[in-house]
Amino acid sequence: DAGITQSPRHKVTETGTPVTLRCHQTENHRYMYWYRQDPGHGLRLIHYSYGVKDTDKGEVSDGYSVSRSKTEDFLLTLESATSSQTSVYFCAISEQVRGGGVYNEQFFGPGTRLTVL
Amino acid sequence: ILNVEQSPQSLHVQEGDSTNFTCSFPSSNFYALHWYRWETAKSPEALFVMTLNGDEKKKGRISATLNTKEGYSYLYIKGSQPEDSATYLCASSNQAGTALIFGKGTTLSVSS
Repeated sequence: DAGITQSPRHKVTETGTPVTLRCHQTENHRYMYWYRQDPGHGLRLIHYSYGVKDTDKGEVSDGYSVSRSKTEDFLLTLESATSSQTSVYFCAISEQVRGGGVYNEQFFGPGTRLTVL
Repeated sequence: ILNVEQSPQSLHVQEGDSTNFTCSFPSSNFYALHWYRWETAKSPEALFVMTLNGDEKKKGRISATLNTKEGYSYLYIKGSQPEDSATYLCASSNQAGTALIFGKGTTLSVSS
């Protein structure tokens, strides 16, 4: 999985509790991303980071915050979990690759299955 | 926000059949088109990245083409095998260094 780990891999929590998911990489890639995967929606971007302390919102950022205090770690926090945030969360990393154009090929972590009761 | 569409949503073929899927994306400000293969209970695995109009990529029995002027890409699988069963995602970006926008995927099921 290109040196990407996610923790925890599974979590069950109750509505209203805070939850933090961690993504850790050993590739020293600049860009990190959080996606959620839901049936009928594919992968949707929550937040991404383009460097330490540099983050931006994605398509479905409401109810989520992120932090990146060092290159290797990207944290996703649900301040007050809701049942609609039950999902599988994927972290991804990328680095710019030059060759026939500049693009970012993304590599994905193993995913975290979160259930909010 | 880009709107990336994939069709069909799902597909069932017999072993040995060849098949293809379509990914359509906005052609304005196009930067790169990615194809991923996603097996159940695993994480998405990159297949191809294409940036230039007319680009073609091939990996074994799987190949892809790109038309940036009309905003579509085709993924072809020749002689499908049961191990090809997976969801195939395409994703597009319109700027370097930013996130990809994914389609909802085409789920392929190959029967032996």
